[in-house]
Amino acid sequence: EVQLVESGGVVVQPGGSLRLSCAASGFTFDDYTMHWVRQAPGKGLEWVSLISWDGGSTYYADSVKGRFTISRDNSKNSLYLQMNSLRTEDTALYYCAKGRRGAAGDWGQGTLVTVSS
Amino acid sequence: DIQMTQSPSSLSASVGDRVTITCQASQDISNYLNWYQQKPGKAPKLLIYDASNLETGVPSRFSGSGSGTDFTFTISSLQPEDIATYYCQQYDNLPPEMLTFGGGTKVEIK
Repeated sequence: EVQLVESGGVVVQPGGSLRLSCAASGFTFDDYTMHWVRQAPGKGLEWVSLISWDGGSTYYADSVKGRFTISRDNSKNSLYLQMNSLRTEDTALYYCAKGRRGAAGDWGQGTLVTVSS
Repeated sequence: DIQMTQSPSSLSASVGDRVTITCQASQDISNYLNWYQQKPGKAPKLLIYDASNLETGVPSRFSGSGSGTDFTFTISSLQPEDIATYYCQQYDNLPPEMLTFGGGTKVEIK
């Protein structure tokens, strides 16, 4: 059974930094592209970033480009999202998701990031 | 960038009703369109991929159709457990397969 468990979400001040983690199990982690998707309170889904199976390719939504960095450690079956220069509009539930062709096939339960002074 | 316009943003229907949600792409996306269900307080779940293919284990009352720019998601007979928000999502066929979501449709029981 695929399991994705996000952690690291906290309350942080505007301009601050945070690193989210996602622990994966139940599948061969280094076979898959992985995504981060976020959802602001009461709002819809917004794709944030993806990383290829080997970490060699990364892509970002324009809203986070230059501030967020996605990475992975295949030896630890773990996905990360380094978030810098945080803004109030980054407040959201952040999901990690296992990629499949053009889709997010399995999702974690999310970790809440609140950016507030 | 391709924009996805989903409608309606919410709807209320009775148990047993046929429910239809539409999603329109700003340009031709062939069949590169998926549908998700998100129940309150839960993570999204992939229901339909490539416009019309049902994920394993998803009830057959759910279906999808369309290609090009216009897509439809249908619940043939609404059940109480179908209360959720539904999202369409487009992807690029060539790498990187970035995802673009529609705005969502909240489905409620009348």
